[in-house]
Amino acid sequence: AQKITQTQPGMFVQEKEAVTLDCTYDTSDQSYGLFWYKQPSSGEMIFLIYQGSYDEQNATEGRYSLNFQKARKSANLVISASQLGDSAMYFCAMREVNAGGTSYGKLTFGQGTILTVHP
Amino acid sequence: ETGVTQTPRHLVMGMTNKKSLKCEQHLGHNAMYWYKQSAKKPLELMFVYNFKEQTENNSVPSRFSPECPNSSHLFLHLHTLQPEDSALYLCASSHPSGPYEQYFGPGTRLTVT
Repeated sequence: AQKITQTQPGMFVQEKEAVTLDCTYDTSDQSYGLFWYKQPSSGEMIFLIYQGSYDEQNATEGRYSLNFQKARKSANLVISASQLGDSAMYFCAMREVNAGGTSYGKLTFGQGTILTVHP
Repeated sequence: ETGVTQTPRHLVMGMTNKKSLKCEQHLGHNAMYWYKQSAKKPLELMFVYNFKEQTENNSVPSRFSPECPNSSHLFLHLHTLQPEDSALYLCASSHPSGPYEQYFGPGTRLTVT
């Protein structure tokens, strides 16, 4: 069974500083995908970044980067140059890929981390 | 309209009522999902549909009944709900296979009285 752990219920960061949100995972699958989503107070889940288990390079998308350490089973999200609009709940998620190599898209989510950016 | 839309955005219903949540996606995806998000709990996957066929039912009580008439529309029919069913219900869509992210709608905030 898959499991995603986000150990930081809340994080605070000063505007323009960088912040790292932790995520560890547990799976027996060799092939899997890791995702980060942002959920503002409005409720919508916004996709931020994706990392495949076989990707050799860490994923980057603008100010977001994923620090992927496969041996440690961690997939931390790094937000550089924080902005006030980054204040939100952040979820780490993992998708399994079945033995046939196709994914049914089932995502398992962590508990989330509330990020507050101070001016 | 673009992306994933959900209606209604807010719903208050009594335990004896019957209501339906609607989700529509305009992204050309063939997989659609229902998630439940309760306070202080991780998102819980409820149902998965691939090409209109249900491929996952995550032990959801029968008072929740999904319907997927085509790849663009997904419904969640609700009847005789309990107060603990109050939550944010999120719909998502994606391509059915490969390293594709899921796109979420804004959710329906459901309150059962």
